[in-house]
Amino acid sequence: QQQVKQSPQSLIVQKGGISIINCAYENTAFDYFPWYQQFPGKGPALLIAIRPDVSEKKEGRFTISFNKSAKQFSLHIMDSQPGDSATYFCAASKAIQGGSEKLVFGKGTKLTVNP
Amino acid sequence: GAVVSQHPSWVICKSGTSVKIECRSLDFQATTMFWYRQFPKQSLMLMATSNEGSKATYEQGVEKDKFLINHASLTLSTLTVTSAHPEDSSFYICSASRSGRIHEQYFGPGTRLTVT
Repeated sequence: QQQVKQSPQSLIVQKGGISIINCAYENTAFDYFPWYQQFPGKGPALLIAIRPDVSEKKEGRFTISFNKSAKQFSLHIMDSQPGDSATYFCAASKAIQGGSEKLVFGKGTKLTVNP
Repeated sequence: GAVVSQHPSWVICKSGTSVKIECRSLDFQATTMFWYRQFPKQSLMLMATSNEGSKATYEQGVEKDKFLINHASLTLSTLTVTSAHPEDSSFYICSASRSGRIHEQYFGPGTRLTVT
């Protein structure tokens, strides 16, 4: 129930194409769904996040689509660029005792955007 | 805003010695800090959660006596790997969240630990 399943494991897209990464979860207590971007040797950077009361959120070329009934959410990267080549992690979090949050991460998707 | 730093960025130590890694929130007060471990080409594994002034809460399977966590102030948390062994070699990443925006975790750049 604590898992977040992410697919695909790797993705190759041509420059200008659309990159789509999918995640699914089981625990309905999750109430926050962020996406992180990580370059080699660096820490993850928060890219975009969504709450379950919204079905879609867009920030620039990045869009999260959220399907509460299916317990799935996805990241769409429009007009993908070589600079987007990185590993992307979806995550889910819920409030835990003490007021803090605990993130559960997917296994990651390595995105390669070819020029 | 929401910048988190880690020091050192990389460290090499001999087996049996202890290593301390610092995590600092530079422009906000971090009510909660998290420590993760990441193996090559794998996801992040949460090691422990710490609230300022409280003892850290460790995840199942993480040795408390080996990985000492101190969250002494609202801007600083430290992870000490005691009696390090080669299997402790990994990428250690901290993150921090701030009061009022506890859902958002901001990650440090990570520390590469190599134990020889």
